[in-house]
Amino acid sequence: DIQMTQSPSSLSASVGDRVTITCRASQSISSYLNWYQQKPGKAPKLLISAASSLQSGVPSRFSGSGSGTDFTLTISSLQPEDFASYFCQESYSSPPRFGGGTKVDIK
Amino acid sequence: QVLLVQSGAEVKKPGASVKVSCKASGFTFTSYGISWVRQAPGQGLEWVGWISNYNRNTNYAQKFQGRVTMTTDTSTSTVYMELRSLRSDDTAVYYCARDIVSYTADSWGQGTLVTVSS
Repeated sequence: DIQMTQSPSSLSASVGDRVTITCRASQSISSYLNWYQQKPGKAPKLLISAASSLQSGVPSRFSGSGSGTDFTLTISSLQPEDFASYFCQESYSSPPRFGGGTKVDIK
Repeated sequence: QVLLVQSGAEVKKPGASVKVSCKASGFTFTSYGISWVRQAPGQGLEWVGWISNYNRNTNYAQKFQGRVTMTTDTSTSTVYMELRSLRSDDTAVYYCARDIVSYTADSWGQGTLVTVSS
């Protein structure tokens, strides 16, 4: 099975900060990489699919990049509603694996 | 709009079975598959399996093979996940999610907490 390593596991940031979260796959997954946001007590929400395709309705301050084994989720200017956990997920193989998550909280 | 509504919380004893439902609306049911993903308390996300609402094909994570069964009822646009021989480490929130392509889930149910405790 493919392993997904996400870093950092947590970070503290301020409103307006630029935030970068990375995800590394144990083998090449081309661009089969999704990013989800999850707030406490809520279901995950798909932000970005296929490494860089922003879902409809997701603010443009979110962006994704990468291919092969290394991927990045960037929030260009952190907003109060962005404090949440973020998970990457590879959709290249079965079973599809999730990263361990990154919790973004307020500094 | 796309809506997935799951059944309510369950409390089960070890060794029992649980069946969680997921009723879909707002889209052409048979054009999509449904994935099930679980999340243990304070933990990350774990994919359990997938079912096609078109031809009822299933794909289960090997970890759950033999213990899980996913079914779909196209007459009511409802998907079911049954997990048997429950253990305490099956305690988790179970989510159904619409699969748009290759296990990419764009809409999620609200989650169903399954608690396994003696």
